[in-house]
Amino acid sequence: DQQVKQNSPSLSVQEGRISILNCDYTNSMFDYFLWYKKYPAEGPTFLISISSIKDKNEDGRFTVFLNKSAKHLSLHIVPSQPGDSAVYFCAASYGDGDMRFGAGTRLTVKP
Amino acid sequence: DTGVSQNPRHKITKRGQNVTFRCDPISEHNRLYWYRQTLGQGPEFLTYFQNEAQLEKSRLLSDRFSAERPKGSFSTLEIQRTEQGDSAMYLCASSQRTGIREKLFFGSGTQLSVL
Repeated sequence: DQQVKQNSPSLSVQEGRISILNCDYTNSMFDYFLWYKKYPAEGPTFLISISSIKDKNEDGRFTVFLNKSAKHLSLHIVPSQPGDSAVYFCAASYGDGDMRFGAGTRLTVKP
Repeated sequence: DTGVSQNPRHKITKRGQNVTFRCDPISEHNRLYWYRQTLGQGPEFLTYFQNEAQLEKSRLLSDRFSAERPKGSFSTLEIQRTEQGDSAMYLCASSQRTGIREKLFFGSGTQLSVL
């Protein structure tokens, strides 16, 4: 059962433009959401998180938006840079439960 | 380097052989997780430890899989009688649980290929 879904396997944007990565979840119990970035041959690294009591969290060029009613979150990267090219995973958890990951979206930022 | 360390980075084995992977977490972290990732998928939870206690195991973890964390430090994941379907990236992660919110720090993984 895939409780966290990233329906776009890939996304390509031009350098300097906005990248928007989307994630949907089905389990209404989830109350903590994270984005991880993964480069080839490396493990995922934490990027940004948001608690369900918020609808927005910002960290530099990265902003995560949470729409609880739609069970949807998105990651905005502005401006996008070639070094942002990586696979981005959305993850969710609740309470003491294990973290569930989406299948990932491969972002390519073209110079 | 104070990150999560996994060994070996790559393992090629023949079907039916046993393999063992090692994970050294960040030293002050008391939680250690094992995940498996196959091509085109995100990491799938296998099991986790709090200190030396194994608190949860996924149904993905068949009887051929066993994990240990003696003394609450490093952990090993053993797969007995490997099958081709076991071919995947095995990721270890650790965390220092604070309150009820935690982020995981991942190692670079062990890529297993079963021929």
